[in-house]
Amino acid sequence: GNSVTQMEGPVTLSEEAFLTINCTYTATGYPSLFWYVQYPGEGLQLLLKATKADDKGSNKGFEATYRKETTSFHLEKGSVQVSDSAVYFCALLKAAGNKLTFGGGTRVLVKP
Amino acid sequence: EAGVTQSPTHLIKTRGQQATLRCSPISGHTSVYWYQQALGLGLQFLLWYDEGEERNRGNFPPRFSGRQFPNYSSELNVNALELEDSALYLCASSFQQGPQYNEQFFGPGTRLTVL
Repeated sequence: GNSVTQMEGPVTLSEEAFLTINCTYTATGYPSLFWYVQYPGEGLQLLLKATKADDKGSNKGFEATYRKETTSFHLEKGSVQVSDSAVYFCALLKAAGNKLTFGGGTRVLVKP
Repeated sequence: EAGVTQSPTHLIKTRGQQATLRCSPISGHTSVYWYQQALGLGLQFLLWYDEGEERNRGNFPPRFSGRQFPNYSSELNVNALELEDSALYLCASSFQQGPQYNEQFFGPGTRLTVL
């Protein structure tokens, strides 16, 4: 079956540091890939997405590139802010069934 | 434009009772999805409804059920509650235009606590 593995947290960073959260997936065919963010006490928000190999998703300074050869979709941000403190989820979607499969989530804490 | 709304925000029940959670999708969206976010278990897909029909179901027992109404809103019912049903239940909605992907927009969730 489909699965997503992402690095465990928590990840603690200082403001303006570089952030990388690793995500790898297992799926047949060509899934769409996503990063969602969950701020404290809130639901999920779509951060970025990529629907085919070599696509780069970007939003709010975050980027991730769909790497078919390494089955990866690592999230990066060059300079984090305190407001980026949240839990980040990597997810994949196969069109059949419309079911999002999520990784376990990575908690990020940015200190001033 | 209003986002996905869920009610209630919090729900406290005792073991063996039934819980009903409600979701209103974004206007124009015909698909509604339910996910469970239990502590330590991550986000698990529960159900997908589209045009009033159940289209897909996750690996959950039959006491988790739901329905979608003609106005596309949805209910999730959990019967015979167990302690491990305590979780944040997230609803999402999307357009459904053929088999291709349609972005799922999430609501704020209902936190169910089973005592």
